[in-house]
Amino acid sequence: QVQLVQSEAEVKKPGASLKVSCKASGYTFNTYGITWVRQAPGQGLEWMGWISAYNGDTDYARKFQGRVTMTTDTSTTTAYMELRSLRSDDTAVYYCARARLGINDYWGQGTLVTVSS
Amino acid sequence: DIQMTQSPSSLSASVGDRVTITCQASQDVSIYLNWFQQRPGKAPKLLIYAASNLESGVPSRFSGSGSGTYFTFTISSLQPEDIGTYYCQHYDPYPPHFGPGTTVDLK
Repeated sequence: QVQLVQSEAEVKKPGASLKVSCKASGYTFNTYGITWVRQAPGQGLEWMGWISAYNGDTDYARKFQGRVTMTTDTSTTTAYMELRSLRSDDTAVYYCARARLGINDYWGQGTLVTVSS
Repeated sequence: DIQMTQSPSSLSASVGDRVTITCQASQDVSIYLNWFQQRPGKAPKLLIYAASNLESGVPSRFSGSGSGTYFTFTISSLQPEDIGTYYCQHYDPYPPHFGPGTTVDLK
C-alpha cells in the first residue's frame, strides 16, 4: 500500500534551517511528484511547491522562492524539503503528498516544526 | 495568482442532513478543482478530484460539481465521521491554492 512517512517533529531557532524528509513506499517513486503543503496552527493549508521525482524539476510558491529547496533521492525513494532563514511564522505542520497531474492522493502524517528562541 | 473563496466558513448540521459547500475561483480554473477533508489532528484526505470525480474508496455520499469559477461539494447524508474541515483547491493554472476551508460539525 502507498505510504508516505515523514520525519519527526523539530524545534528550531529563528534564523536556522530545517530539512524534513518524506519516505515513500508502495508505488514506483519516479512516476509521481511530491508536493509540500504546510499548515500554521489553527490556519488553513498553504501550497509550498512541487518536485518531480522523475527528473527533479521543481515549482515553488513565490512566497518561498529563494528560501526553499526541494529534492528527491530515488535510491532511497525519499523526498526532502529544506527551508532556510526560519522565522516564528514558519511554525507549522509540514505535509508531503504524492502528486500526479496536480492531484495529491496520498499524504504523509505531517511534521510539526516549531520555531522559537 | 488565483484566489479561492468558500462558503460558508462553518456550519452545523444533524446526522442525515444534506450539506452543501460552495467554492469560487477568482478566474476560470476549468475542472481543475479538488476537494479535501481534514479531520482534527490528521492529514488532509482527497475526496473529489477534477471537480466531480470520486476518489477511490470514498463513500458515495460525497459528490462534487461545477466548472469554471463556481463549484459545489455535497454530502448527501451527513454522518458523525464526516466532522472536520473541508477545503477546495485549484491546481491548474499554477500555482495551486487552497480555499480557506469550511468547518462542519454536528448540531
